[in-house]
Amino acid sequence: QVQLVQSGAEMKMPGASVKVSCKASGYIFTDYYIHWVRQAPGQGLEWVGIINPNGGRASYAQKFQGRVTMTRDKSANTVFMELSSLRSEDTAMFYCAKVSGVPGAFDYWGQGSLVTVAS
Amino acid sequence: DIVMTQSPDSLAVSLGERASIHCKSSQSVLYSSNNENYLAWYQQKPGQPPKLLISWASTRQSGVPDRFSGSGSGTDFTLTIRSLQPEDVAIYYCQQYFHTPPTFGQGTKLEIK
Repeated sequence: QVQLVQSGAEMKMPGASVKVSCKASGYIFTDYYIHWVRQAPGQGLEWVGIINPNGGRASYAQKFQGRVTMTRDKSANTVFMELSSLRSEDTAMFYCAKVSGVPGAFDYWGQGSLVTVAS
Repeated sequence: DIVMTQSPDSLAVSLGERASIHCKSSQSVLYSSNNENYLAWYQQKPGQPPKLLISWASTRQSGVPDRFSGSGSGTDFTLTIRSLQPEDVAIYYCQQYFHTPPTFGQGTKLEIK
């Protein structure tokens, strides 16, 4: 069965960087793009960006341009999202989600990785 | 960016009654070449990631109960829950995936009256 398993919770100081991982299984990793979505506490869903696990090309929301980098390791069926220059407003749950097609709805989601930014 | 606006923000419905959630997009998400609406509905329960219920505006995902249905086209869409069950208490989001960036509605909180 399809599974996306994310790395655990992180606590970071303002100005630091965080790298979250998302390990895929149960399907051909390189066949489907993966998105990242941010959800601040008690808030809605905000798109962060997308990566093509095959070629590695990524595209980011304008809001995060310059601060976010998405990469992948094909040998490990894993994608990564690194967010730098963290501020308190970045405190949120980050989800990875696989798409059903290009374009497509987000048919499988990771369990989420909580990133807390505090001094 | 396409703005997705849901109504109402919250809704309380009696068990066994019908619940309807509306979603309006600022631009059409209907692709004329294939006549598909690039519109999805998600359900999110506390402490869980969102779960895809419906894609292409009206196609239920495998395993989703048939009391959930989606309708609409172009810019106006509706998620209907035919007979509300206790396990349907959640926040529901619509999303368009036609244009980049994909965007979500603000969410509708559904509770039991």
